Amino acid sequence: QSVLTQPPSASGTLGQRVTISCSGSRTNIGRNTVNWYQQLPGTAPQLLMHSDNQRPAGVPDRFSASKSGTSASLAISGLQSEDEGNYYCAVWDDTSQGPVFGGGTKLTVL
Amino acid sequence: QVQLQESGPGLVKPSETLSLTCTVSGGSMSTYSWNWIRQPPGKGLEWIGYFYYTGKTNYNPSLKSRVSMSFDTSTNHFSLRLTSVTAADTAVYYCARELTPNYAVGAFDVWGQGTPVTVSS
Repeated sequence: QSVLTQPPSASGTLGQRVTISCSGSRTNIGRNTVNWYQQLPGTAPQLLMHSDNQRPAGVPDRFSASKSGTSASLAISGLQSEDEGNYYCAVWDDTSQGPVFGGGTKLTVL
Repeated sequence: QVQLQESGPGLVKPSETLSLTCTVSGGSMSTYSWNWIRQPPGKGLEWIGYFYYTGKTNYNPSLKSRVSMSFDTSTNHFSLRLTSVTAADTAVYYCARELTPNYAVGAFDVWGQGTPVTVSS
């Protein structure tokens, strides 16, 4: 069972906006910055967002993220078929003194 | 542009030691933390640990008793050893670099392609 809780699945139609939540606690999200990863089928994860809401170079501005208290969320607007894959949140946990991942959310584009 | 490539045996027998190497090309190993992360088949990601170029290491508490990491800056390799493996250690193993120098916050911006390891007799 993951320290961070994500819904196992999410879906949307082409062009739609979808959000994926990540729930943690005061020892992780409540104190440290959240990162998000995209893992397309058969590939390694890729850093999608870091420091709560910063996009690495090359990530489209269709992707955005926010945090409030002990929860965070990733939003994808203008959904495209190539967005289909798994999305993970990750954050440093002060209790375990290391980064922890959410269980992942499988995004399906209908 | 930094690139990472994992290598090692794809099959390890139960109770034996898993040894993997990550080759860093296109950049220096200094100032960053270098991590190992694994993903069991059909499951999510699990951070194994990191070492910092100063020699400092930090391991996942759930694996700490069985994990060790080392590096060789002369060859730009860093290595993972996991002892007393069981079927639960079957996974794709990734090496990854932390985004920000001198920080460890779980933001990994460079990943290897991953190497699958099966634990079976």
